[in-house]
Amino acid sequence: DSGVTQTPKHLITATGQRVTLRCSPRSGDLSVYWYQQSLDQGLQFLIQYYNGEERAKGNILERFSAQQFPDLHSELNLSSLELGDSALYFCASSVAWQAQETQYFGPGTRLLVL
Amino acid sequence: GENVEQHPSTLSVQEGDSAVIKCTYSDSASNYFPWYKQELGKGPQLIIDIRSNVGEKKDQRIAVTLNKTAKHFSLHITETQPEDSAVYFCAANSNYQLIWGAGTKLIIKP
Repeated sequence: DSGVTQTPKHLITATGQRVTLRCSPRSGDLSVYWYQQSLDQGLQFLIQYYNGEERAKGNILERFSAQQFPDLHSELNLSSLELGDSALYFCASSVAWQAQETQYFGPGTRLLVL
Repeated sequence: GENVEQHPSTLSVQEGDSAVIKCTYSDSASNYFPWYKQELGKGPQLIIDIRSNVGEKKDQRIAVTLNKTAKHFSLHITETQPEDSAVYFCAANSNYQLIWGAGTKLIIKP
């Protein structure tokens, strides 16, 4: 158990809908990362937050947005969903913002768009 | 931009044999190279990392080697066991981010 929690574990929705994925980092970690992993694909970095502020942005679509709240939990919002958005979404956390920090991954949220 | 290439995409080895996964990177400023293991149904987990001031690091059956001149680093697993079956990801830091390889699926045959 990494100490990172993600809810929900599974999510089934329809095209055009909007969903929110939630992540609680490990106690003491200030940085949160979001990743997308499609079937048989690698990890696609979406976005990083550090202590409430956006720190780095990867290949995140404009339909996707995220935020980190004062209690350090984070939410990833996915809107106007398409079939291709079906994937595993992972959240990870680390103590600080530097790339050299160990990232601790949650169990993921499996999203299925029908 | 920065790129990390990982090979092979799938590796099948006999239990007890060694496995080697290789990665190359393009940013000469990269100085941190972690390896993560993702077991089925779980999130990735750091198993070993190396920084540019050393050429090799070992942890029991796992070792990582780094060749900064050639810009490549490798993961070596000796005496493979069934629990080594997983997807392995390499990464390198660049511009304050981690750039990830595409992953290697390691299959241990009994």
